[in-house]
Amino acid sequence: ETGVTQTPRHLVMGMTNKKSLKCEQHLGHNAMYWYKQSAKKPLELMFVYSLEERVENNSVPSRFSPECPNSSHLFLHLHTLQPEDSALYLCASSQDRRTGPDTEAFFGQGTRLTVV
Amino acid sequence: GQSLEQPSEVTAVEGAIVQINCTYQTSGFYGLSWYQQHDGGAPTFLSYNGLDGLEETGRFSSFLSRSDSYGYLLLQELQMKDSASYFCAVNNAGNMLTFGGGTRLMVKP
Repeated sequence: ETGVTQTPRHLVMGMTNKKSLKCEQHLGHNAMYWYKQSAKKPLELMFVYSLEERVENNSVPSRFSPECPNSSHLFLHLHTLQPEDSALYLCASSQDRRTGPDTEAFFGQGTRLTVV
Repeated sequence: GQSLEQPSEVTAVEGAIVQINCTYQTSGFYGLSWYQQHDGGAPTFLSYNGLDGLEETGRFSSFLSRSDSYGYLLLQELQMKDSASYFCAVNNAGNMLTFGGGTRLMVKP
């Protein structure tokens, strides 16, 4: 248990569905991240929220939409996904560099997403 | 752009020493981190180098040379449980943490 909880752990959705992934951290961190992990590819950073500011990643398709209502919660809203979006989606949290020394990122267990 | 290069696979025997190298190209560099990920598990933090030199944590050590854009993770007294994927990651501006492709370490008896 890393202090970062993701739900659901597994998700199967059709290409026309809308679903959301949830991430919650109880570590007092003020930066949260979404990563995509596909087979044979590096961990791809999708979005960063830090001190309630969103850092854009222009390479992420608009069918992925993040939401960060507060520093403890992060969502990833999914709509009209493609089969190639099937992957492990990992959430992480850390302390923003501007508010303290660099610390490590803590990862959740991930949501295994399958798009059919 | 940003890129990190590390070997895709390394095999070693129990009790041996293994070095996993990482070279990077990035802007706004703050430091180099290393993470371990077992199959089916989440990445977990191993070490961080913000300055040049060697950081030691038990059986694991990590090294950074900022002038060479190079670092390595050294694993000593290998154990079977060390079989996992190891990722180097660059900490850079905007609290971005960019990962390399990972090195799959297989420890054999």
